Amino acid sequence: GAGVSQTPSNKVTEKGKYVELRCDPISGHTALYWYRQSLGQGPEFLIYFQGTGAADDSGLPNDRFFAVRPEGSVSTLKIQRTERGDSAMYLCASSLNGGSETQYFGPGTRLLVL
Amino acid sequence: DQQVKQNSPSLSVQEGRISILNCDYTNSMFDYFLWYKKYPAEGPTFLISISSIKDKNEDGRFTVFLNKSAKHLSLHIVPSQPGDSAVYFCAASPNYGGATNKLIFGTGTLLAVQP
Repeated sequence: GAGVSQTPSNKVTEKGKYVELRCDPISGHTALYWYRQSLGQGPEFLIYFQGTGAADDSGLPNDRFFAVRPEGSVSTLKIQRTERGDSAMYLCASSLNGGSETQYFGPGTRLLVL
Repeated sequence: DQQVKQNSPSLSVQEGRISILNCDYTNSMFDYFLWYKKYPAEGPTFLISISSIKDKNEDGRFTVFLNKSAKHLSLHIVPSQPGDSAVYFCAASPNYGGATNKLIFGTGTLLAVQP
């Protein structure tokens, strides 16, 4: 079956602009996660959705970052007033029910802020 | 404060030999551990996992060992193949009463399997 998909695969924007990154989880997966990976580092947790609600948003770095999952499937990560330091690979993952189980990752969106 | 540590940034082994990748953690609340493989420009691919109630899990050429007293886990690949060349990430999930299930990753080890 289809895995996690993310669009766009690459995004180049200018400092101060607004961007949206999209994630389509595996069908039927109720849990969805966003991570950010900088060069030379492992992925870092941003936010976790269980269904439509954000169960844990403790990893969002500041209030410029926001994510939604209005129908419990597709999620959008939104970044306002982008800064050069936001440049990274943004990864989305999903799992069947949340809990201590395997998370399956998408290919990521590489964001470059000029 | 790095809760999951992979102290070897890179490892080179000969094809057919065993690859051993190591990972240390500091948080005793971690109850589920995973290994992911990542190729350039792709997302991490799940390899194998282990629950804290076990000390070993095997899947084909891949075996993960967990030593809770030492807060250490390792991934063994045998025999190693050139297609195994990738960055390997160790990840751990804390159990805070099931409230959150974020993964905490190490910084990765680049494995190069020489033909």
